[in-house]
Amino acid sequence: GESVGLHLPTLSVQEGDNSIINCAYSNSASDYFIWYKQESGKGPQFIIDIRSNMDKRQGQRVTVLLNKTVKHLSLQIAATQPGDSAVYFCAEISNYNQGGKLIFGQGTELSVKP
Amino acid sequence: DSGVTQTPKHLITATGQRVTLRCSPRSGDLSVYWYQQSLDQGLQFLIQYYNGEERAKGNILERFSAQQFPDLHSELNLSSLELGDSALYFCASSVEETQYFGPGTRLLVL
Repeated sequence: GESVGLHLPTLSVQEGDNSIINCAYSNSASDYFIWYKQESGKGPQFIIDIRSNMDKRQGQRVTVLLNKTVKHLSLQIAATQPGDSAVYFCAEISNYNQGGKLIFGQGTELSVKP
Repeated sequence: DSGVTQTPKHLITATGQRVTLRCSPRSGDLSVYWYQQSLDQGLQFLIQYYNGEERAKGNILERFSAQQFPDLHSELNLSSLELGDSALYFCASSVEETQYFGPGTRLLVL
C-alpha cells in the first residue's frame, strides 16, 4: 500500500551542527517529493522538492537526496539554527496527472540546542 | 506568508453542528486542496479541486463536502460534527505539483 514514513520521530542537534532527517517511501511509482517544515501553530511551509529523475537537489542551507534503489529520501540542513526547530515532513505525489494528492510521512521533530 | 488565506483561525462548536471553512488560494493558482491534521492520523488528504471541478478525492467522510467557486476560493463544509472531527484543517493551492499551505483552521468539537 501507499505509505511514507520517517525513521526517527525526534532529532536533537547542537546549534551550528548539520542535521539529517530521513524518510522512507513505499510507492515506487512516486515521481515527486517535497519536504515541508511545520512550526507550532502554523501550516506546513515548503522547503525543497525533488523529482524522481534526480538524485540530489540543493537549496539555501538545505539539500535533498533521493535514493530510488532503496526508496529513501533525506533532508540535510547545514549549520542548523534555533529557527530550524520544527516538525519536518516528507511528502510524495504519484500520478500527478490523476490528481495532486500529497501523501505525508508522520514527521520528525527537530530540536536545536543553543 | 504563503499567500494562501484561511478563515476562521479557530472554531469551537458542538457535536451535531455544521461549520464552513473558507480558503482563498494564491493569486493565479487553479488547484485547491484540503487536508486534515489530527494527532493520531497526521496530515491526511481530503479533496482537490481544479478550476471549479473536483479532481481527486481522499479519505473524506460523506458528512464532509467541498466546492470551489468561480473566483477560485473554496469552502469545506463539515456537518453532523463528532468529537473526532476536532483537528486542524489546512487548505493548500498550487499551479503545478508544489503545494503551498495556508495557516489552517483549528476546529474543536465539544
